[in-house]
Amino acid sequence: QVQLQESGPGLVKPSETLSLTCTVSGGSISSFYWSWIRQSPRKGLEWIGYISYGGNTDYNPSLKSRVLISVDSSKNQYYLNLSSVTAADTAVYYCARGGVGVPPPYWGQGALVTVSS
Amino acid sequence: EIVLTQSPGTLSLSPGERATLSCRASEIISINYFAWFQQKPGQAPRLLIYGSAGRATGVPDRFSGSGSETDFTLTISRLETEDFAVYYCHQYGSSPATFGQGTRVEIK
Repeated sequence: QVQLQESGPGLVKPSETLSLTCTVSGGSISSFYWSWIRQSPRKGLEWIGYISYGGNTDYNPSLKSRVLISVDSSKNQYYLNLSSVTAADTAVYYCARGGVGVPPPYWGQGALVTVSS
Repeated sequence: EIVLTQSPGTLSLSPGERATLSCRASEIISINYFAWFQQKPGQAPRLLIYGSAGRATGVPDRFSGSGSETDFTLTISRLETEDFAVYYCHQYGSSPATFGQGTRVEIK
């Protein structure tokens, strides 16, 4: 059974960079598509972007200028960096297997990230 | 981006009743790229339906999906206590992938 687990700081200061790690177990990260999705009361569920097994990325245009998703196959991990954060980026961040064209059946439990000074 | 609008916002029903949830898209979506999720408090969304009508692994057959183009429906034939939750529609065929705002199914 594939399992995903988010990790990273729960509190980030405004204007700084939010960094999260997703660790995948029960399967190789060197297949499929791997996404980041966030959820907030203000915007609901919002797809941030994905990275493919080949290293291709696709980002939500609303966040594209601030987002970077990368992967380390040797560690079976992938990463989210979101720069210049504001309070509007406060949300529960999920990693999930899947992307555009592929539904996400496997999700992490979610990581609450609060942007505050 | 494709906007998904769900209705109603809240559905108040009793166990054993039938639930019908709707999702309307701002553009035509291929039936191959439409899904429904269930979310309970404190949990990640759970994939119920993919490809507009395919049930994900382990999903009871009281859940069914239908629809095409811009109008999609999730039907729960007989509500069980564990079905009271928030449901989201999702299109994953066009970038950016998008979600509806959710329909809450609550106990009447």
